[in-house]
Amino acid sequence: AQSVSQHNHHVILSEAASLELGCNYSYGGTVNLFWYVQYPGQHLQLLLKYFSGDPLVKGIKGFEAEFIKSKFSFNLRKPSVQWSDTAEYFCAVNEGGTYKYIFGTGTRLKVLA
Amino acid sequence: EAGVAQSPRYKIIEKRQSVAFWCNPISGHATLYWYQQILGQGPKLLIQFQNNGVVDDSQLPKDRFSAERLKGVDSTLKIQPAKLEDSAVYLCASSLYGGNEQFFGPGTRLTVL
Repeated sequence: AQSVSQHNHHVILSEAASLELGCNYSYGGTVNLFWYVQYPGQHLQLLLKYFSGDPLVKGIKGFEAEFIKSKFSFNLRKPSVQWSDTAEYFCAVNEGGTYKYIFGTGTRLKVLA
Repeated sequence: EAGVAQSPRYKIIEKRQSVAFWCNPISGHATLYWYQQILGQGPKLLIQFQNNGVVDDSQLPKDRFSAERLKGVDSTLKIQPAKLEDSAVYLCASSLYGGNEQFFGPGTRLTVL
């Protein structure tokens, strides 16, 4: 079965620290890749997405992600986190052609002021 | 633009009772999704509609769960009878078409006692 792995379940950082959250998927075909974020008390919302083209994708609020096809990875990065980045982050993979989405288990990020 | 609407926001029932959730997607969005999110896990796709047809319901427990999307707009998800393990947040999402960015509603938190 296809799967999405997020290895970091809980991450605690101080403000201004750099962030990298891992995401690996198992599907070998064409994929669309997403990172969603859920701030406390809010809906899931899109952070960034990759469909094709430049494998380095920039999203909102200074986040970026890099698609490395050979590693089946789509890691999320931010050079300097803020307290307001405290949230839960979900990686999602959409299998091209089937439109089926699979979400990772999420990473809960806490940024200390 | 108005977001995805869901109701109720919270529901507490006893096991073996029935419950229904309602979702109104963003206007013009052809694809509608229902997800189940159990505490500590990522969203799990239950069913996906394209207009009023079912695209994928492979993970829907059909002995107790049912869903419909009449006229390709609103959708309802029903559980009958509920079990303790159905306690979760039920998320509705919509997208312009399958494979694209999803917009999520606030979810319905179901507690089965």
